[in-house]
Amino acid sequence: KNEVEQSPQNLTAQEGEFITINCSYSVGISALHWLQQHPGGGIVSLFMLSSGKKKHGRLIATINIQEKHSSLHITASHPRDSAVYICAVTRTLGGSRLTFGEGTQLTVNP
Amino acid sequence: ETGVTQTPRHLVMGMTNKKSLKCEQHLGHNAMYWYKQSAKKPLELMFVYSLEERVENNSVPSRFSPECPNSSHLFLHLHTLQPEDSALYLCASSQADGPYEQYFGPGTRLTVT
Repeated sequence: KNEVEQSPQNLTAQEGEFITINCSYSVGISALHWLQQHPGGGIVSLFMLSSGKKKHGRLIATINIQEKHSSLHITASHPRDSAVYICAVTRTLGGSRLTFGEGTQLTVNP
Repeated sequence: ETGVTQTPRHLVMGMTNKKSLKCEQHLGHNAMYWYKQSAKKPLELMFVYSLEERVENNSVPSRFSPECPNSSHLFLHLHTLQPEDSALYLCASSQADGPYEQYFGPGTRLTVT
């Protein structure tokens, strides 16, 4: 069993829909990261959070430390949001080392 | 522009070749990472350099040899690779002694024939 699990693996939505991607982890962490990978490979960090909630534009990330669960929400989705979304964690006492989930492929159709 | 560059972007090499991947960061970070991303698998950490010292080698075969001459540059030397080594190789940087956000390069798509 992976230490970081994401669901769903694939998600197709219509433009304008509200999207949720989930991440569960089984290790002690100092932070959780949400990353975005577009076709071609480049990866961008969207959020790093250790408690509560963060918002950037149409993206919202939440974390529940007690339940070891995080969600990434996209409001008013757009075709340009189509990408792979990756959850990763920094383990407690793990420095900056990341442990990754398998990613969620999101496709938003116009 | 992410501040982390990688060259080459694409590489095709035979199993007997020797080649090197280069990564450069312009962000003033003091930790650098090599990752491997194979199809349908999560990103795998290969090596970590912190303050120019290798602090982690994640059971990577010796046909992969990293080099970090200074805090801004990271190399991955490749020799006698196998077809299963074909993958996307990503470099990243961050401040050391995290947790800190990591900044990724665009990757090198490697094909071993």
